[in-house]
Amino acid sequence: GAGVSQSPSNKVTEKGKDVELRCDPISGHTALYWYRQSLGQGLEFLIYFQGNSAPDKSGLPSDRFSAERTGGSVSTLTIQRTQQEDSAVYLCASSLVDTSNNEQFFGPGTRLTVL
Amino acid sequence: AQSVSQHNHHVILSEAASLELGCNYSYGGTVNLFWYVQYPGQHLQLLLKYFSGDPLVKGIKGFEAEFIKSKFSFNLRKPSVQWSDTAEYFCAVRNNAGNMLTFGGGTRLMVKP
Repeated sequence: GAGVSQSPSNKVTEKGKDVELRCDPISGHTALYWYRQSLGQGLEFLIYFQGNSAPDKSGLPSDRFSAERTGGSVSTLTIQRTQQEDSAVYLCASSLVDTSNNEQFFGPGTRLTVL
Repeated sequence: AQSVSQHNHHVILSEAASLELGCNYSYGGTVNLFWYVQYPGQHLQLLLKYFSGDPLVKGIKGFEAEFIKSKFSFNLRKPSVQWSDTAEYFCAVRNNAGNMLTFGGGTRLMVKP
């Protein structure tokens, strides 16, 4: 079946520009997560959406980062006024929120390069 | 805040050697534990997970891990590695206060044919 998809796969942008990264979770998965994978920082949690509940934004590194999830499905991560330290691979994951089987399925990521 | 430590950053082994990758976490409450693998150019994939019950967990491709609560550890093992096991391995912890995963820094494994 279809897994988590992300677009674009690669994004190169200039410092100061805004970028939008998209995630399509697995159909029927109510939970969606964004992580960032960067050299020196490893894999870091950014934000978590569960159904219609308010998102857990505790991992967002600054107010330049925001995310939304429309209709409980597709999510967009927006980074405003990008900085070079934002360069990383941004990973999206989704899961069924069932306490007995909460495996997170990861997408291929978007590699962001800020020049 | 919880943290996860993977002590080996790079491991090089010959085929048929045994593997053990260390993972320790800091959270004192109930946790779920995971090992993910990322093969070159591929997504993160789940190798195995521990939620409750038998602390020795079997995963895919001959991997297993043992949860030792007293040591806050969840080490990954494989008795005989293959060249195709070359990948980066990540230990992750989820506590019952939230659904996000906290990852270790990863271990790059290279298996020489």
